[in-house]
Amino acid sequence: KNQVEQSPQSLIILEGKNCTLQCNYTVSPFSNLRWYKQDTGRGPVSLTIMTFSENTKSNGRYTATLDADTKQSSLHITASQLSDSASYICVVRLGGYNKLIFGAGTRLAVHP
Amino acid sequence: DVKVTQSSRYLVKRTGEKVFLECVQDMDHENMFWYRQDPGLGLRLIYFSYDVKMKEKGDIPEGYSVSREKKERFSLILESASTNQTSMYLCASSGTSGGSTDTQYFGPGTRLTVL
Repeated sequence: KNQVEQSPQSLIILEGKNCTLQCNYTVSPFSNLRWYKQDTGRGPVSLTIMTFSENTKSNGRYTATLDADTKQSSLHITASQLSDSASYICVVRLGGYNKLIFGAGTRLAVHP
Repeated sequence: DVKVTQSSRYLVKRTGEKVFLECVQDMDHENMFWYRQDPGLGLRLIYFSYDVKMKEKGDIPEGYSVSREKKERFSLILESASTNQTSMYLCASSGTSGGSTDTQYFGPGTRLTVL
């Protein structure tokens, strides 16, 4: 079954600290993996996208990694800010189909 | 900048009412999608459309229908709203039909409550 699992479900960190969010998937065939950020009451916004041959991609303080062999991805946030408080959603595209498999998301709260 | 707008941010309806959710995109995208988002679950695809007057069922189409009369507009219809359709509804659009890296751009969502 094609699934995307994220951990932890929720996370609280202090402003300025780093954190890492995890995504494990069992989607096959794999096309690409994307991380979205969803602010409360808003739609998701794409942060990074990685294909099979890419193992790291950065967007400012956000760095995503992909290990296609173990089917794992992580999103590392450096020097967190209050504005990083949001849900982060891992999404895998099924190869050969215009179909996305969504994780349930990790809810991050950054406290001052 | 891609802009996807949804007709309402919040909506309260009664059981049995017919509900229309409207979505408009301004980037001439071929593809449009309707999802619902519930706590603890990932986004689930209700319907999508690759072109005007085209529609395809997603993973959870039961109780919903859609309409795409114009390229920029995609409507989700709840024929007879039920309490289990209380949810956040997200519309998205993307270009490059069939491309594997095309980004889906999401609207702000409509939080629907069915009493």
